[in-house]
Amino acid sequence: EPEVTQTPSHQVTQMGQEVILRCVPISNHLYFYWYRQILGQKVEFLVSFYNNEISEKSEIFDDQFSVERPDGSNFTLKIRSTKLEDSAMYFCASYGQQLSNQPQHFGDGTRLSIL
Amino acid sequence: AQKITQTQPGMFVQEKEAVTLDCTYDTSDPSYGLFWYKQPSSGEMIFLIYQGSYDQQNATEGRYSLNFQKARKSANLVISASQLGDSAMYFCAMSLSGNTPLVFGKGTRLSVIA
Repeated sequence: EPEVTQTPSHQVTQMGQEVILRCVPISNHLYFYWYRQILGQKVEFLVSFYNNEISEKSEIFDDQFSVERPDGSNFTLKIRSTKLEDSAMYFCASYGQQLSNQPQHFGDGTRLSIL
Repeated sequence: AQKITQTQPGMFVQEKEAVTLDCTYDTSDPSYGLFWYKQPSSGEMIFLIYQGSYDQQNATEGRYSLNFQKARKSANLVISASQLGDSAMYFCAMSLSGNTPLVFGKGTRLSVIA
């Protein structure tokens, strides 16, 4: 079964440094998402991406964040200058719209630790 | 705006017993989808079951079933014949259409006891 893959599985970064989280969505999916889960808390939506542009973003997704689909397969989340509170699990998801009852498919996540 | 409420932070169930995890939702939109995801200690999000707001029957997927009560705005997950491997966090979520962002509840931690 096709799956969403995320790299790296764990990223440790010094505060103030830039970090790029990478995702390869399912190949025939058209909608892409980033979600964040701070340890012990619920999953929160960051941004959605469709047709090479942001379709929706939450208030969490400020100017420090950006997303890009640099080629036909990768979908990246960049945090420009990381803060301690950016430490969280980041999930990429994709959606294909083939059937109305299909879920968003999640990757296994990248655990980001800011020191 | 949509909202998901899961009022059970933690639940215990004996192996082979059934357990119900509660979820209530709030939205003014008549068309929406409800989802349950399982998150084991390893951290990944595993899709379990889906219920559409216009579906006439409750969804079932193997040992998982969704007790959908539209008038009460509840979408409880029922796990039958619990197994030790069912121990995990369970999140209820909703979206207004398949491609709109998911809104999650705070989750319920299920512990299955041998």
